[in-house]
Amino acid sequence: GAVVSQHPSWVICKSGTSVKIECRSLDFQATTMFWYRQFPKQSLMLMATSNEGSKATYEQGVEKDKFLINHASLTLSTLTVTSAHPEDSSFYICSADRAQAGAGYTFGSGTRLTVV
Amino acid sequence: DAKTTQPNSMESNEEEPVHLPCNHSTISGTDYIHWYRQLPSQGPEYVIHGLTSNVNNRMASLAIAEDRKSSTLILHRATLRDAAVYYCILRPYSGNTGKLIFGQGTTLQVKP
Repeated sequence: GAVVSQHPSWVICKSGTSVKIECRSLDFQATTMFWYRQFPKQSLMLMATSNEGSKATYEQGVEKDKFLINHASLTLSTLTVTSAHPEDSSFYICSADRAQAGAGYTFGSGTRLTVV
Repeated sequence: DAKTTQPNSMESNEEEPVHLPCNHSTISGTDYIHWYRQLPSQGPEYVIHGLTSNVNNRMASLAIAEDRKSSTLILHRATLRDAAVYYCILRPYSGNTGKLIFGQGTTLQVKP
């Protein structure tokens, strides 16, 4: 149990276009999901906390108008990278919380975004 | 957020036990100790977590110091598939949900 599906697994887009990444909890409901980005040979950096039915909470330094997060249902959160530029190329990873006190989080398999 | 300190890298031989240490001297009473691992080009995978008592599961064991200021992840018999970056993270208890802040982790190399 506790599977999180992330789609697409990789995407190449042109500079200036927008890209949407989906994160779905397949067998549980997730009121809270998290979005991370990871550059090569670096650790994961938390971008934002996505709450079902309300606005996302962004970490300091993350542009909320550039990284749009929508969490419209208990099983789906989306991250849209708007007007993508080459410096946005990164590995984006989502995770979902089963809301069990102290329990482990489940992560998606990640999305490799390359902006050309 | 309370921070953790881990060695940058460790090596192990296949089929030998591996002890991965983590220091978290500023842990608060309600922080859970979580361990995740990440293989190249994949999302992190949950390994184990604990609060005060030692924990065992099919993947590993977690030994927590009595003062909770340190912990050790134990892989009983390392395999080549255990080569990964291992992250020790404190999960704050915050109304059942607390964000995970990743440190640099320990890169484990397993030699055949």
